[in-house]
Amino acid sequence: GESVGLHLPTLSVQEGDNSIINCAYSNSASDYFIWYKQESGKGPQFIIDIRSNMDKRQGQRVTVLLNKTVKHLSLQIAATQPGDSAVYFCAEKGGGYQKVTFGTGTKLQVIP
Amino acid sequence: DTAVSQTPKYLVTQMGNDKSIKCEQNLGHDTMYWYKQDSKKFLKIMFSYNNKELIINETVPNRFSPKSPDKAHLNLHINSLELGDSAVYFCASSQESRATNEKLFFGSGTQLSVL
Repeated sequence: GESVGLHLPTLSVQEGDNSIINCAYSNSASDYFIWYKQESGKGPQFIIDIRSNMDKRQGQRVTVLLNKTVKHLSLQIAATQPGDSAVYFCAEKGGGYQKVTFGTGTKLQVIP
Repeated sequence: DTAVSQTPKYLVTQMGNDKSIKCEQNLGHDTMYWYKQDSKKFLKIMFSYNNKELIINETVPNRFSPKSPDKAHLNLHINSLELGDSAVYFCASSQESRATNEKLFFGSGTQLSVL
């Protein structure tokens, strides 16, 4: 279960630009998807979610897109700010007592 | 008012020792979890309890023993600590683990360093 040999992908974005963070999920039976943000020294924090019967959901400055055909999830952050700098995780879940499984995470660095 | 609080925040100990991490949530949630995050930030579930009952037990060495005295508390005891146990351990809770749209609320983590 350790991510030995894997690097934490890093995305560097200029302040004010839009950010797109991508995630490939593994289980075609998953029907609920979540993005979490983890700031340095803190636990992951819920940002936005989407159910499998939708392909797009918008929040405040964030949009999640779901493509079930290719099992792909993306998080778009509009007008990226320094406070958006964090590690972002996608997560997936099936029904019932199925566990929430996290992806490997992407580090977002915002350049002032 | 911290929703999910875990103690201690930092834990430095010698190999072979036994240590415990405590977790409490004041959200009224039914389900609590322990996750382990390695140095590459990979988050892996270890255990899940629903109303004090164990429902998820991943392939974790039996040196790790969770205990849930009530649904607001989930503690993690680790026996005979090894170097590979060094990681950040996160406690989390959710309202109902059977719900499809299950949102997790995380504590701020316990950084365990085994020397």
